[in-house]
Amino acid sequence: GESVGLHLPTLSVQEGDNSIINCAYSNSASDYFIWYKQESGKGPQFIIDIRSNMDKRQGQRVTVLLNKTVKHLSLQIAATQPGDSAVYFCAENKRTRAGTASKLTFGTGTRLQVTL
Amino acid sequence: DSGVTQTPKHLITATGQRVTLRCSPRSGDLSVYWYQQSLDQGLQFLIQYYNGEERAKGNILERFSAQQFPDLHSELNLSSLELGDSALYFCASSADGDSYNEQFFGPGTRLTVL
Repeated sequence: GESVGLHLPTLSVQEGDNSIINCAYSNSASDYFIWYKQESGKGPQFIIDIRSNMDKRQGQRVTVLLNKTVKHLSLQIAATQPGDSAVYFCAENKRTRAGTASKLTFGTGTRLQVTL
Repeated sequence: DSGVTQTPKHLITATGQRVTLRCSPRSGDLSVYWYQQSLDQGLQFLIQYYNGEERAKGNILERFSAQQFPDLHSELNLSSLELGDSALYFCASSADGDSYNEQFFGPGTRLTVL
């Protein structure tokens, strides 16, 4: 069946260093991938997305890399800050048979801890 | 603040009971999604509505149902509650039903079944 998983449940990074959060997906039919950030007591918040016709996309301090060959997704956060401490989820999205429906499948999440 | 509101914030009830969770999407958004987040299952997609009609279904139990009203707010009904239904329930909205549209999540409703 479909699954989206993460390699590391917890990542501890020193403030100012770069963070790399990894994600493996199994559904080769997925054509859209998203990273979400969830802070304690809040709902998931969109960070960055990438379509399957791309292999890299950059945002503000974040970069997502997609390797379709090995079905791997990563989120890179530059100059990690204490405010980046949260759980990060990757999610894959594929169109249903209806063509326009949306169904996100989330990974289990990685907790990023930023130490001072 | 995502613009998506959910009520109530917390809900405590007993097994066998029925509850209704409410969601108001962002102004102008036509699609509403429901997710369940539990400790052992992570975030699970339950169901999507678009402009009042069911658009996609995920891992939603038969004891659960949802609807989207003409004013686009949505309700998730959970019946015959079991201990395992204790979880965070999130609602998200997007501009339309297209799978590439960003989903904006609400703050969630924490359901505790005793």
